[in-house]
Amino acid sequence: GAVVSQHPSWVICKSGTSVKIECRSLDFQATTMFWYRQFPKQSLMLMATSNEGSKATYEQGVEKDKFLINHASLTLSTLTVTSAHPEDSSFYICSAPIVEQFFGPGTRLTVL
Amino acid sequence: EDQVTQSPEALRLQEGESSSLNCSYTVSGLRGLFWYRQDPGKGPEFLFTLYSAGEEKEKERLKATLTKKESFLHITAPKPEDSATYLCAVGPNTGGFKTIFGAGTRLFVKA
Repeated sequence: GAVVSQHPSWVICKSGTSVKIECRSLDFQATTMFWYRQFPKQSLMLMATSNEGSKATYEQGVEKDKFLINHASLTLSTLTVTSAHPEDSSFYICSAPIVEQFFGPGTRLTVL
Repeated sequence: EDQVTQSPEALRLQEGESSSLNCSYTVSGLRGLFWYRQDPGKGPEFLFTLYSAGEEKEKERLKATLTKKESFLHITAPKPEDSATYLCAVGPNTGGFKTIFGAGTRLFVKA
């Protein structure tokens, strides 16, 4: 089946530092990937669409300068949380579609 | 506006007590309707894709059905390991892979 990996699975950082999260499609190519954020006991909130070879598309209310997305290749997208603050603490999940979306295992970010 | 509403928000069942989860949707044109299972602290796991009204798919104790306005996820004789959040989502056929997710139904199955 289609497998998507994420790295790291969890990260703790100090306020003001930047954190990079990687999302890889392991057995298929993805020209599009999606980044979601999920708060406890809430559903997925789409942050942005990552497009290989072009700029990411951000959802309304998501700061593109804070959440930098780079779709470096057909199997890799990265999300960088710049100058992280405690309110950025959350569970970040990426997905890559074939017809349906296949999700990575998620990254738990804690900003102290 | 494309929209997905799931009910109930939470469902508590005894082991072996069959039930159904509901997903109501409105979409301009349906590329597909998707069901996912999500365990705490993990990414959603793909279960089913349904494409047209009348279609049904089964996997172990789960059966998904689709009408023009709703989808149901039937759980037959659930076991405690079926406890999870079940997410319903629709993909509009407006081009691309964008998907609209419902808020999910949290299922608890007690032994």
